[in-house]
Amino acid sequence: SAVISQKPSRDICQRGTSLTIQCQVDSQVTMMFWYRQQPGQSLTLIATANQGSEATYESGFVIDKFPISRPNLTFSTLTVSNMSPEDSSIYLCSAEIQNTEAFFGQGTRLTVV
Amino acid sequence: GENVEQHPSTLSVQEGDSAVIKCTYSDSASNYFPWYKQELGKGPQLIIDIRSNVGEKKDQRIAVTLNKTAKHFSLHITETQPEDSAVYFCAAKNTNAGKSTFGDGTTLTVKP
Repeated sequence: SAVISQKPSRDICQRGTSLTIQCQVDSQVTMMFWYRQQPGQSLTLIATANQGSEATYESGFVIDKFPISRPNLTFSTLTVSNMSPEDSSIYLCSAEIQNTEAFFGQGTRLTVV
Repeated sequence: GENVEQHPSTLSVQEGDSAVIKCTYSDSASNYFPWYKQELGKGPQLIIDIRSNVGEKKDQRIAVTLNKTAKHFSLHITETQPEDSAVYFCAAKNTNAGKSTFGDGTTLTVKP
């Protein structure tokens, strides 16, 4: 298994600013993922972050808006840039063990005002 | 790409009864099917998973069944308890392709 620490757990931000979310895993993992989850809804994949390569973004998400870093096998960050109220959501990171079992962070509840 | 449908969207049972949640998938290349439990304010937690070479797996009160031919899999919770109340998500993944596709979730309420 893996334990994932995600921070901040919540934040209220002004529109036009940026927020960086951090995700720390207690073991080395190859693949990490970033999701967005609207309250009461399912998980939408933003991007896949592999160490040593550029993140792979899903349709509808772009690097300029959601830059991702993956400096090593235990850490990743997601930045939500130039925020607007539409970016208010829960953001989750996850890490996969042996390409199957996924473990999630606690989530970051973002409110943009 | 993969499409996962999950039913029902809400489920209410009496404590001690069984609960069943069903999912169908579209991509025959999917070979890994996890189930997650998400409690309010927390991230999803893996509770059980099944691989395509297995038809059924059980862990105490929780079991998952897989029908590869029909492309559907189900979560079974027996002897439900109030602490089982949560949102449950199924997912399907082709382990060679790298990403999971999630169902829309089922809100399970267990009434004491």
